[in-house]
Amino acid sequence: QKEVEQNSGPLSVPEGAIASLNCTYSDRGSQSFFWYRQYSGKSPELIMSIYSNGDKEDGRFTAQLNKASQYVSLLIRDSQPSDSATYLCAVNQAGTALIFGKGTTLSVSS
Amino acid sequence: EAGVAQSPRYKIIEKRQSVAFWCNPISGHATLYWYQQILGQGPKLLIQFQNNGVVDDSQLPKDRFSAERLKGVDSTLKIQPAKLEDSAVYLCASSLVTGTADKLFFGSGTQLSVL
Repeated sequence: QKEVEQNSGPLSVPEGAIASLNCTYSDRGSQSFFWYRQYSGKSPELIMSIYSNGDKEDGRFTAQLNKASQYVSLLIRDSQPSDSATYLCAVNQAGTALIFGKGTTLSVSS
Repeated sequence: EAGVAQSPRYKIIEKRQSVAFWCNPISGHATLYWYQQILGQGPKLLIQFQNNGVVDDSQLPKDRFSAERLKGVDSTLKIQPAKLEDSAVYLCASSLVTGTADKLFFGSGTQLSVL
């Protein structure tokens, strides 16, 4: 059974701080890794994708991948109240559907 | 570009009743997915279509769930009979090519409540 594990939280950070979200996956054959944001009552939206070991930065977001440790993380710098949402980690192999984690709820207080 | 369309937006039924959901993917998208998202959990794949063929239905409870994709475009997901544990949001998603999650588009979902 392929699994994606996330701490459900909630993770609470003050406005302007760095939020760090973590994810581990069980399938060593996983090739693509994604972070989705989901606001309450809304559908998931893609915010980051990463395919190779290391860091990938996009604005205030940085995704980090360590395939040897089967670990993916998402850093959100200068967190804003509008970042308050559930963050879903998802992985897949080529040609297969995404497997999602349960998500981590982030709360940014002003 | 029109997004993934789903209907109805909400549905309330009693247990043992049947229900159907409809999805119209983005024009030209070959791959269509149905996910089930129970409150507090991540989306779980129910079925994946490539054009009108099934790629993966390993997690579809086939004793009560069925899905079809006619002519490789629209899709319907049916539950018959519904159980209390089927209460969830049913998300439809589509992509141009299987596995290209960078280009995976979700519909707004159907929230099902089984009483």
